[in-house]
Amino acid sequence: GAGVSQSPSNKVTEKGKDVELRCDPISGHTALYWYRQSLGQGLEFLIYFQGNSAPDKSGLPSDRFSAERTGGSVSTLTIQRTQQEDSAVYLCASSLRQGDQPQHFGDGTRLSIL
Amino acid sequence: GESVGLHLPTLSVQEGDNSIINCAYSNSASDYFIWYKQESGKGPQFIIDIRSNMDKRQGQRVTVLLNKTVKHLSLQIAATQPGDSAVYFCAENILTGGGNKLTFGTGTQLKVEL
Repeated sequence: GAGVSQSPSNKVTEKGKDVELRCDPISGHTALYWYRQSLGQGLEFLIYFQGNSAPDKSGLPSDRFSAERTGGSVSTLTIQRTQQEDSAVYLCASSLRQGDQPQHFGDGTRLSIL
Repeated sequence: GESVGLHLPTLSVQEGDNSIINCAYSNSASDYFIWYKQESGKGPQFIIDIRSNMDKRQGQRVTVLLNKTVKHLSLQIAATQPGDSAVYFCAENILTGGGNKLTFGTGTQLKVEL
């Protein structure tokens, strides 16, 4: 597509539920990145993919967070047993290859945990 | 300038004036720096970047200055317009787990007054 697409744009769910966030990178981009942005804060790196592989998962906040990418394209970020502190905007970015700059961002998914 | 905390630093300028947004970075080994603009409800949008072997780079109405001695980055916007109102983030490229990631500052809110 023309840009990075994320869905849903907004998600409201109850504490304890699982959520799945989707990212569709720019066509042909092999590198994909997930970030989290809490209210009034900068972006916090979560994880990146080169192809379907995620070499560095150290940025994931807890074992409730997981991410996968299949077919070298779409990625999903899953949060299990959501907590109120998980409320944030989750942003996805892509670049042609890992290490290439700049990263191009989607508009994010605004996640609210009640 | 940028700082860690819940409240974004704010820069207010008159329309037509020049704006200067400052950023201190942490890693002397960073090889690449980038400025993003983020409007409300949108993802970060690339403005301009600079590699560590340069100290100045100019774009259309924007200039980035890099001072590696004091680890300082600045973004200058000439003839600031109402459409420039947004939050501006600097980011530095850091190597991680065989790849790289962007580490973002907290951001500066730019308000353009008519």
